Amino acid sequence: NAGVTQTPKFQVLKTGQSMTLQCAQDMNHEYMSWYRQDPGMGLRLIHYSVGAGITDQGEVPNGYNVSRSTTEDFPLRLLSAAPSQTSVYFCASSSPDSSLLLHFGNGTRLTVT
Amino acid sequence: GESVGLHLPTLSVQEGDNSIINCAYSNSASDYFIWYKQESGKGPQFIIDIRSNMDKRQGQRVTVLLNKTVKHLSLQIAATQPGDSAVYFCAGGYYGGSQGNLIFGKGTKLSVKP
Repeated sequence: NAGVTQTPKFQVLKTGQSMTLQCAQDMNHEYMSWYRQDPGMGLRLIHYSVGAGITDQGEVPNGYNVSRSTTEDFPLRLLSAAPSQTSVYFCASSSPDSSLLLHFGNGTRLTVT
Repeated sequence: GESVGLHLPTLSVQEGDNSIINCAYSNSASDYFIWYKQESGKGPQFIIDIRSNMDKRQGQRVTVLLNKTVKHLSLQIAATQPGDSAVYFCAGGYYGGSQGNLIFGKGTKLSVKP
């Protein structure tokens, strides 16, 4: 199993551009989530999903959209990138019976200039 | 508000020594705590967890201690090795709950000197 796969690994955007960060998992996990990691801030939850068709906002959802059309995929969309969105983004998945034992991808490092 | 924090941002230990990483939490309703390890350039990985009905849980070379009275938990790593060098995060939430209630601390960077 590949686990949680995130693409791309690195991305540079100009302010105002849009893009989608991809996340796929092959563990048949119902729960998926997106975090951003900034220096000195730990991991902060952006959006999460408890199953296909269901999403909810986390601590820092502004500027990001998500959808969950399949169990495997949970893309994160930046509609109009801002320098404040420069960060490392992690996708995670878990199963309902171990909902907080998160399996993380290796992250996407995003720079917005 | 709710928070999970760590006492020290960095910790340096000699190879072979024991390491202790501390964490404090503010939400007394949290009943489940997890330690994650993050190596450079990778995502966090689960190390060990503990529910609030326990005071101590042991894994392979790692032990987590939970003191509910003072809302404090610690991660002890025995015979620390160079491969233990990483950032360690504690996280607190509700057992069986969604990720929406899981709060991460800011992390402690452990450096192991050979």
